[in-house]
Amino acid sequence: AQSVSQHNHHVILSEAASLELGCNYSYGGTVNLFWYVQYPGQHLQLLLKYFSGDPLVKGIKGFEAEFIKSKFSFNLRKPSVQWSDTAEYFCAVRSGGYQKVTFGTGTKLQVIP
Amino acid sequence: DTGVSQDPRHKITKRGQNVTFRCDPISEHNRLYWYRQTLGQGPEFLTYFQNEAQLEKSRLLSDRFSAERPKGSFSTLEIQRTEQGDSAMYLCASSSRDKTYGYTFGSGTRLTVV
Repeated sequence: AQSVSQHNHHVILSEAASLELGCNYSYGGTVNLFWYVQYPGQHLQLLLKYFSGDPLVKGIKGFEAEFIKSKFSFNLRKPSVQWSDTAEYFCAVRSGGYQKVTFGTGTKLQVIP
Repeated sequence: DTGVSQDPRHKITKRGQNVTFRCDPISEHNRLYWYRQTLGQGPEFLTYFQNEAQLEKSRLLSDRFSAERPKGSFSTLEIQRTEQGDSAMYLCASSSRDKTYGYTFGSGTRLTVV
């Protein structure tokens, strides 16, 4: 069964600091990878996704993620965070030809002005 | 609003009662999903519909849970004989025929079983 691990449960950064959130998945075949974000009081929104091609994926609001197949990783990065990036971030994977997407437990990011 | 709508937003029920939630997906989306999220966890997959057909179903979905999408548009999720462990946020999401799109989520229905 596929699984997703997010290494950091809670991250606190100052504005302008760089961000990297770790994500590892367990499935060895073809995968589709996602990062979703949930801002306080709002519903889950798609941040970026990887299906095929260039392993460096750019998403909204300056976020990017790199798919490293050999490491089963899909880490999320942003060079300079803003207070408005305070949110919970979920990594997710779909694999095996199924529609089911498996989510990680999430990382709460708090950005201090 | 052309997003995914869920009703009700909140539901408090007594243990043993039945509850039903409704999801209206984005109209041109033929795929619909139900997830459940508890505190400190990511969403857990419950079931998936393509049009009116229920094609995937999690083992989490016990016999007390049933979902329908009778005309391939809105969907309902019913929980019979609710238990305290059913307390959670129930999320609905939809996506288009093009599987390279991610999900669009609704705001969820928060269920509290007392």
